Amino acid sequence: NAGVTQTPKFRVLKTGQSMTLLCAQDMNHEYMYWYRQDPGMGLRLIHYSVGEGTTAKGEVPDGYNVSRLKKQNFLLGLESAAPSQTSVYFCASSFGQGAAFRPYEQYFGPGTRLTVT
Amino acid sequence: KNQVEQSPQSLIILEGKNCTLQCNYTVSPFSNLRWYKQDTGRGPVSLTIMTFSENTKSNGRYTATLDADTKQSSLHITASQLSDSASYICVVSVEGSSASKIIFGSGTRLSIRP
Repeated sequence: NAGVTQTPKFRVLKTGQSMTLLCAQDMNHEYMYWYRQDPGMGLRLIHYSVGEGTTAKGEVPDGYNVSRLKKQNFLLGLESAAPSQTSVYFCASSFGQGAAFRPYEQYFGPGTRLTVT
Repeated sequence: KNQVEQSPQSLIILEGKNCTLQCNYTVSPFSNLRWYKQDTGRGPVSLTIMTFSENTKSNGRYTATLDADTKQSSLHITASQLSDSASYICVVSVEGSSASKIIFGSGTRLSIRP
C-alpha cells in the first residue's frame, strides 16, 4: 500500500514551458486535492476533485488545470509556467469531506519541488 | 475572514525538554481541528484530529488541547527527541461547506538540539 505518490519529485522549467504533475493514490479515496506550499504561508488549495470525472476550483486556481479521468489519479497541468509558480506542490486524498462528528483524514504525498526560471 | 494563526513561528529547545505550540483560529462555523507534522522535504502527516466536543487528545508524546470557546488549540510535546525536529501545522475545517474550506496555518518550525 503506497498511499499517495507524486511524480516527478523535482523539476526545473523555463518561463512559458508546460508540464503535468501526476498524483496517484491506492486507498480508493473519492476526494483528491492539489495544494501549493510557499515559504511563510500555509498550504493553499489550487483545485480539488470529489470523484472521478469531477473537478473544482480552490483558492488559487489561475494558471493551473486539472483532470480526474480515473479515480486513483489526479493530474495538475501548467500550460505556460511563470516564475510565480515556483513552489512545492502537494497532492492529498481523503475518503470524503466528513462531518463535524466524523472528520475524514487527509493523506498527503511527498511533494514536487518546481522551479520556474 | 477565516484565519488560522500559529505561534511561535520558530522554536529551538534542548533534547528531553517539553514545549507547547499555539494555534488561534477565527474559523466559523467550526468543524474540526487537526495537527500535522511535516518533516523537511516531506508531506504533512496527521498527529491528531479533534472535533468541537473533544478538549484533549493524545498521540504518544504529543497531546493536543482544544478550547472551542476561546478558539484556541495547543500541541504539547513531552520529552522531546531529535526526530521531533519538524514543522507543525494547525489546520481548521469549516462545517457544512465545500471541500475547499480547510484552512492551514503557516506552521511552527521546531528544532531540537542535542
